[in-house]
Amino acid sequence: EAGVAQSPRYKIIEKRQSVAFWCNPISGHATLYWYQQILGQGPKLLIQFQNNGVVDDSQLPKDRFSAERLKGVDSTLKIQPAKLEDSAVYLCASSSDSGLDTYNEQFFGPGTRLTVL
Amino acid sequence: SQQGEEDPQALSIQEGENATMNCSYKTSINNLQWYRQNSGRGLVHLILIRSNEREKHSGRLRVTLDTSKKSSSLLITASRAADTASYFCATAAYSGAGSYQLTFGKGTKLSVIP
Repeated sequence: EAGVAQSPRYKIIEKRQSVAFWCNPISGHATLYWYQQILGQGPKLLIQFQNNGVVDDSQLPKDRFSAERLKGVDSTLKIQPAKLEDSAVYLCASSSDSGLDTYNEQFFGPGTRLTVL
Repeated sequence: SQQGEEDPQALSIQEGENATMNCSYKTSINNLQWYRQNSGRGLVHLILIRSNEREKHSGRLRVTLDTSKKSSSLLITASRAADTASYFCATAAYSGAGSYQLTFGKGTKLSVIP
């Protein structure tokens, strides 16, 4: 079974530039998550989709971050404009959960390491 | 906000010894999960224990959950150098935004010395 795919793996940008990350979840997984992991900390949930609808985006800084999941499969996360404090690893995960429960494990992609200079 | 707090922050042991990591949390949970993260394989799910369970085993892993104390422990027996990684507990709780959310702690960094 193919895992969660993410690209790019690394990205270096200047502050105030924009950047986009792509995620392809495990086939058949209805729920997709984007996490931000700052060095030395655990992952923090940014947004959760079920199919192509947003379940929870309460921790997404909506003034600069946006995400979409067209057709309920692939997803993109965008930052515009980027700030120095956005330097982190951005992890995408998927699960077979319905979005209303978390009874099952989440499968994580390798992440995109973003450096903002 | 991060609900789970792992203890210790770092742990160094000899190969073959047992490693114990603890996790404390603050609110009611649906279940608690442990994940491992290393540079080679990213974040990987290890084990899930539901709020009505007290103990669970998986291979060399043993997890306990005490909901009255809001704490959990992960025991890795007969450690191997390949167990070197960061270990995170993650609590699944109702987010108040219409769904259950997984909230990670800061992790315990385990080093197993060959």
